[in-house]
Amino acid sequence: EDQVTQSPEALRLQEGESSSLNCSYTVSGLRGLFWYRQDPGKGPEFLFTLYSAGEEKEKERLKATLTKKESFLHITAPKPEDSATYLCAVQESGGSNYKLTFGKGTLLTVNP
Amino acid sequence: EAQVTQNPRYLITVTGKKLTVTCSQNMNHEYMSWYRQDPGLGLRQIYYSMNVEVTDKGDVPEGYKVSRKEKRNFPLILESPSPNQTSLYFCASSLSSFTGGADTQYFGPGTRLTVL
Repeated sequence: EDQVTQSPEALRLQEGESSSLNCSYTVSGLRGLFWYRQDPGKGPEFLFTLYSAGEEKEKERLKATLTKKESFLHITAPKPEDSATYLCAVQESGGSNYKLTFGKGTLLTVNP
Repeated sequence: EAQVTQNPRYLITVTGKKLTVTCSQNMNHEYMSWYRQDPGLGLRQIYYSMNVEVTDKGDVPEGYKVSRKEKRNFPLILESPSPNQTSLYFCASSLSSFTGGADTQYFGPGTRLTVL
């Protein structure tokens, strides 16, 4: 069973059409939840870290929120340059490995 | 500029020919890790290192070796590559492994490896 599940797998939006991406997770203890953006052939680019339920963070058109079992990445009035794969990852508490467990990502396409 | 660098960026090799992918970071980070990314499987951790001379296996370590002789470098070694190691490889680093809190990892640009 996947520990991190992202939905939808792909999302196509018109420029200016706001929407949300979902990330649900099943870990016993959460050290942190991370959102990354990945462009084709490039490394994941860090966006946000969320630590506890109720926390929210914003950056330009993106806003990330966290509950006890899921996180949402809200995209307000997207532009074509927001097109990318958005990755969610969790870091479990306890132990010495700061491993990130990733979801499979949501491929976002924003059409002009 | 703070960054994680990897070399080479692209590599085509043949089965059994030993290779090394280098990773270097200039942020004085203690924690470093290697991931591979495959279609439908996402990113999976291969090995990690908490500090110099301290390394351990991740989720998919078979067929790989690592070393951490200097804080800034964390090379990935494939002693006898096989076609199932064809993948996109990423090195990542983070500041500290001793805080107990969440630790943001920063990724390199990736190395695309093809084993024929």
